[in-house]
Amino acid sequence: DIQMTQSPSSLSASVGDRVTITCQASQDISNYLNWYQQKPGKAPKLLIYDASNLETGVPSRFSGSGSGTDFTFTISSLQPEDIATYYCQQYDNLPLFGQGTKLEIK
Amino acid sequence: EVQLVESGGGLVQPGGSLRLSCAASGFTFSSYWMHWVRQAPGKGLVWVSRINSDGSSTSYADSVKGRFTISRDNAKNTLYLQMNSLRAEDTAVYYCARDHLYYDILTGYPGTRAFDYWGQGTLVTVSS
Repeated sequence: DIQMTQSPSSLSASVGDRVTITCQASQDISNYLNWYQQKPGKAPKLLIYDASNLETGVPSRFSGSGSGTDFTFTISSLQPEDIATYYCQQYDNLPLFGQGTKLEIK
Repeated sequence: EVQLVESGGGLVQPGGSLRLSCAASGFTFSSYWMHWVRQAPGKGLVWVSRINSDGSSTSYADSVKGRFTISRDNAKNTLYLQMNSLRAEDTAVYYCARDHLYYDILTGYPGTRAFDYWGQGTLVTVSS
């Protein structure tokens, strides 16, 4: 079975900071990797699909990169409304979420 | 506008059963695979089950296999999750989500699948 390791589990940053979250798969998943944002009390929202493609309507400060086993999610300039928990998800055969990264404002 | 609305959650005793529903609107329900995802209080997202567009193929997480059954009624635009032999560890918010297959912009070949729309969730509490 594929395992996903997401890090860090929590992160504190200031408005305007560049924020990076990583996700590692235990085996090659090509670019079958998605990123979601979940705000407290809300359903998750798809931000990035296919490792690097921005979902329609998502601000361009969000980006993703990587392929194979190592992936990165970046917020280029953190905004107050970006406070949320972020999850990676591999979907090579059956979907599997990473453990999540809780992002807080410093 | 795409909408997914879950219902059927509530308090149930260990060993009991519950059926969740997810009413879909704003898209051609019968063309899409669908999923159930759950989230225990204060915990992360966990995939539970998947069903293909005509209901002929289903998949389950090991933790629910043999106890949960996913199904759909395309005439009613509704997804279901029948949950039997419930345990305390099944306590969670249950979300339904639509599966979308994305195609590579350059090649036109199919790429990844992702969950592009989610319901608001319904809380299932298993406790005596």
